[in-house]
Amino acid sequence: DTAVSQTPKYLVTQMGNDKSIKCEQNLGHDTMYWYKQDSKKFLKIMFSYNNKELIINETVPNRFSPKSPDKAHLNLHINSLELGDSAVYFCASSQIAGGLYKYFGPGTRLLVL
Amino acid sequence: GENVEQHPSTLSVQEGDSAVIKCTYSDSASNYFPWYKQELGKRPQLIIDIRSNVGEKKDQRIAVTLNKTAKHFSLHITETQPEDSAVYFCAARSNFGNEKLTFGTGTRLTIIP
Repeated sequence: DTAVSQTPKYLVTQMGNDKSIKCEQNLGHDTMYWYKQDSKKFLKIMFSYNNKELIINETVPNRFSPKSPDKAHLNLHINSLELGDSAVYFCASSQIAGGLYKYFGPGTRLLVL
Repeated sequence: GENVEQHPSTLSVQEGDSAVIKCTYSDSASNYFPWYKQELGKRPQLIIDIRSNVGEKKDQRIAVTLNKTAKHFSLHITETQPEDSAVYFCAARSNFGNEKLTFGTGTRLTIIP
């Protein structure tokens, strides 16, 4: 299913590089999210956008900059990648802010060497 | 903010037996409690949820119970099957502020054939 899609699926890069992950949803939802899942499987919210406006910004280094060109897209740009950024990044969407059902994307597995 | 604790972190049960996963939450304003299942290498998917005005909900072999007074909720899987093997996450959503969904740390459930 392609309700929420992410690219790339895998990303292997060197420390210090800058990379972007893209997310798109075709569900007509108003709200999109970025979650980080670390090696211990802990799932933690990073950002939330509602109709292109930032509504949740957890304690995330400012090397991470989300961008929402329209409500169907939420991209994540990461500057100066560090080893600790290695994780699986999941995009998600819900119909409204705080929406009960969250659809997750397939995840982007980032490995920083 | 909300804090969700989940136990156990790993659980192995014989096929056909029942499995129980427990979560506690800290914010008495939380009003929505979903459970997500994440199979290996896949995205988290909602399997069942419960709202704070309900004490129990059942969907075939899975059920969730909520004790608002004690601030804990549990997932029950009966007649377990090999395809139930996955990581299960509980979550709690506060009714205030940004209505952020806070996830538990996950339980890796293994069904032994």
